Amino acid sequence: SAVISQKPSRDICQRGTSLTIQCQVDSQVTMMFWYRQQPGQSLTLIATANQGSEATYESGFVIDKFPISRPNLTFSTLTVSNMSPEDSSIYLCSVEDPRANEQYFGPGTRLTVT
Amino acid sequence: GQNIDQPTEMTATEGAIVQINCTYQTSGFNGLFWYQQHAGEAPTFLSYNVLDGLEEKGRFSSFLSRSKGYSYLLLKELQMKDSASYLCAVRGGLGDYKLSFGAGTTVTVRA
Repeated sequence: SAVISQKPSRDICQRGTSLTIQCQVDSQVTMMFWYRQQPGQSLTLIATANQGSEATYESGFVIDKFPISRPNLTFSTLTVSNMSPEDSSIYLCSVEDPRANEQYFGPGTRLTVT
Repeated sequence: GQNIDQPTEMTATEGAIVQINCTYQTSGFNGLFWYQQHAGEAPTFLSYNVLDGLEEKGRFSSFLSRSKGYSYLLLKELQMKDSASYLCAVRGGLGDYKLSFGAGTTVTVRA
């Protein structure tokens, strides 16, 4: 299975600022996703990070708020822009291994906005 | 749209068996996943079903009936460390690798 790391693991940020979260995979993967898990809730897909093209966003999420980069097959970033307390959440990247039909999650980034 | 339902909470005794049901109504179907998530940690992959029937992996088994839009995760010989949230997730149609998650079932194992 792929090994996924995320940086930072946690952060406390002031409202109005932006935070960029990095996701690094130890092998090349085609499919990479960004999810959000708000306190006490399940996971919600933010977007699919596409290598070499713009990310595909789910309903309710927009590029201006959550810009995503995917420069290669092992790395992606998610930026949470102009943060408000409602953005306090755990942000997780995940990768799909189509050959194994398994989708793995990174350790997550716990964000608190004050 | 996607609609995935699972019970909110379940409690069981150490050594017992617990069955977590998941029903789904989705616009497409290309597999169902079960994940385990301990508090403060990322979800860990448990199982994947795409064909009808039972998949067994040690103490954990997962069942799928596509015609009924139904799956269950069976946890046998429960241990205290099995106390966690269990998430049911459905993957959309062919070529669509996105997952839609249920709200999760919190399982508490008591001594």
